[in-house]
Amino acid sequence: DSGVTQTPKHLITATGQRVTLRCSPRSGDLSVYWYQQSLDQGLQFLIQYYNGEERAKGNILERFSAQQFPDLHSELNLSSLELGDSALYFCASSVGWQGTEAFFGQGTRLTVV
Amino acid sequence: GQNIDQPTEMTATEGAIVQINCTYQTSGFNGLFWYQQHAGEAPTFLSYNVLDGLEEKGRFSSFLSRSKGYSYLLLKELQMKDSASYLCAVRDTIAGNTPLVFGKGTRLSVIA
Repeated sequence: DSGVTQTPKHLITATGQRVTLRCSPRSGDLSVYWYQQSLDQGLQFLIQYYNGEERAKGNILERFSAQQFPDLHSELNLSSLELGDSALYFCASSVGWQGTEAFFGQGTRLTVV
Repeated sequence: GQNIDQPTEMTATEGAIVQINCTYQTSGFNGLFWYQQHAGEAPTFLSYNVLDGLEEKGRFSSFLSRSKGYSYLLLKELQMKDSASYLCAVRDTIAGNTPLVFGKGTRLSVIA
């Protein structure tokens, strides 16, 4: 158990809908990262937050947004969902924004039908 | 740009040694990581190199050459449970922000 908690574990929704994925980082970790993993693309970095502020942005679509709350948990919002958004979404956390390894949650498997 | 290359698949025999290579071209560099990921599960941290040379941790070792943009993960005394994907990742320093950039992973199959 990495100490990073993601909910829900599985999510099935229809095209055009909006969903929210939630992540609680390890105790004491200030940095949260969101990644998308699909079969052919590997782990794609989406966005990073550090202590409530956005730190880095990767290949995140405009339909997607995220935030980190004062209690350091984070949410990833995916809207106007398309079939191609079906993937595993991982959250990871680390101590600092220049810390060493990142610890990953178990992921949310999103299926868009 | 950022580019991390590793072989897509490898097969090795139980008890043997396997070396998984990774080459990278990134705009910055602040460390290279190896993660193990079993199908459908979270990646778990294996090793970290920031200086050139070999880091050994039990049956796993990782090597880094920054001048060549090259790393390898060495797995000894392979066990069936080592069948997994192995992900090479680079901490790419961009204006002080340091996300991990991952390769697509190498799927290792250990056979009897």
